[in-house]
Amino acid sequence: SQQGEEDPQALSIQEGENATMNCSYKTSINNLQWYRQNSGRGLVHLILIRSNEREKHSGRLRVTLDTSKKSSSLLITASRAADTASYFCATKLKNRDDKIIFGKGTRLHILP
Amino acid sequence: EPEVTQTPSHQVTQMGQEVILRCVPISNHLYFYWYRQILGQKVEFLVSFYNNEISEKSEIFDDQFSVERPDGSNFTLKIRSTKLEDSAMYFCASSSRVAGQETQYFGPGTRLLVL
Repeated sequence: SQQGEEDPQALSIQEGENATMNCSYKTSINNLQWYRQNSGRGLVHLILIRSNEREKHSGRLRVTLDTSKKSSSLLITASRAADTASYFCATKLKNRDDKIIFGKGTRLHILP
Repeated sequence: EPEVTQTPSHQVTQMGQEVILRCVPISNHLYFYWYRQILGQKVEFLVSFYNNEISEKSEIFDDQFSVERPDGSNFTLKIRSTKLEDSAMYFCASSSRVAGQETQYFGPGTRLLVL
């Protein structure tokens, strides 16, 4: 897999259901971030989890990180129509200060 | 809440022309970045900038590209002679990189179309 590869590529769920997106990576990281992008728009930062953290919450968002499996998951609970967007994980490599590497994203569609 | 701003939001140019994309990072941030996203593809790192010099650049960032911080607030990306394949959304980002604040905050992007 590539550094920062999300699955599924696309996900459609009913409003009110929970949405889970996964991210896998290859190289040891310093931190992992999740971003949201509405169609053709900018990147909105959602949450950052450091390599020494296992779980973080922010409102309806829950992110987990398993460094032994080199994977992370983003859970959106009680989904709303406004959650329809693409979600990207982005990794910051260990011992590298600069760039973050994005995956291809998961396109989430919330059905009314 | 402070945010990164970018101008213009859209730019259409002829192949071979020079374009300058402008960004105003968050005011107390010291680290600045440009990324691009070709339509339907992933966001790709172009360059990072700190202390008035490039700290890292990708292979995409060739001699046609340059960055500058001309004053205390603006951060620009110049493409000297645009090619069709430069058509993309260009995102500026900034971060403070103070411990506990590593987040890169992105601007809304400039959509560049090269004809």
